[in-house]
Amino acid sequence: GEDVEQSLFLSVREGDSSVINCTYTDSSSTYLYWYKQEPGAGLQLLTYIFSNMDMKQDQRLTVLLNKKDKHLSLRIADTQTGDSAIYFCAESNTDKLIFGTGTRLQVFP
Amino acid sequence: SAVISQKPSRDICQRGTSLTIQCQVDSQVTMMFWYRQQPGQSLTLIATANQGSEATYESGFVIDKFPISRPNLTFSTLTVSNMSPEDSSIYLCSVEGIGQGSFDGYTFGSGTRLTVV
Repeated sequence: GEDVEQSLFLSVREGDSSVINCTYTDSSSTYLYWYKQEPGAGLQLLTYIFSNMDMKQDQRLTVLLNKKDKHLSLRIADTQTGDSAIYFCAESNTDKLIFGTGTRLQVFP
Repeated sequence: SAVISQKPSRDICQRGTSLTIQCQVDSQVTMMFWYRQQPGQSLTLIATANQGSEATYESGFVIDKFPISRPNLTFSTLTVSNMSPEDSSIYLCSVEGIGQGSFDGYTFGSGTRLTVV
């Protein structure tokens, strides 16, 4: 079945860039997503990319998609303490989202 | 994107009882989705709810345990029945976002944090 993998933890210094990586197995994925979950909160959709694109930029966020390697990344420029959260990547080729395990991003001063 | 109101935001329930979670959307949507997030885990789709038909359940989830209602295009409920401590999770509803008439990702409610004791 479909599988989405992420590293569990990432720690960065405030002001540096963060890069969160994700790999997936479903070659028929239509859209790929990045969600943010802060403690005790629901999921916030950060951005998504259509599978025929290889890059999408939205303010401090840059998404790179390597469809050949089934690799997705999220780069957060000038990381702030407010960016500390769990980041989930997800993929879909129907209405069902398949989520990764989540990456806990910790930002230290 | 759609705005979702989900309640209750949290609850502590006795084992053997049932809890109904409500999800209200500020616009009409065809499909509503219910997810479960077990402690420290990722999200798993429970079922898809269409108005006017029975919900479609994913493997491992059954209607007797998680009955769903979808009385209109802006509202749905998920009931967690005959609860046990293993049902302690965050339950989230989700809808397809529509921005300027086209697909705009999936929006999630703030979730219901359920603890069964």
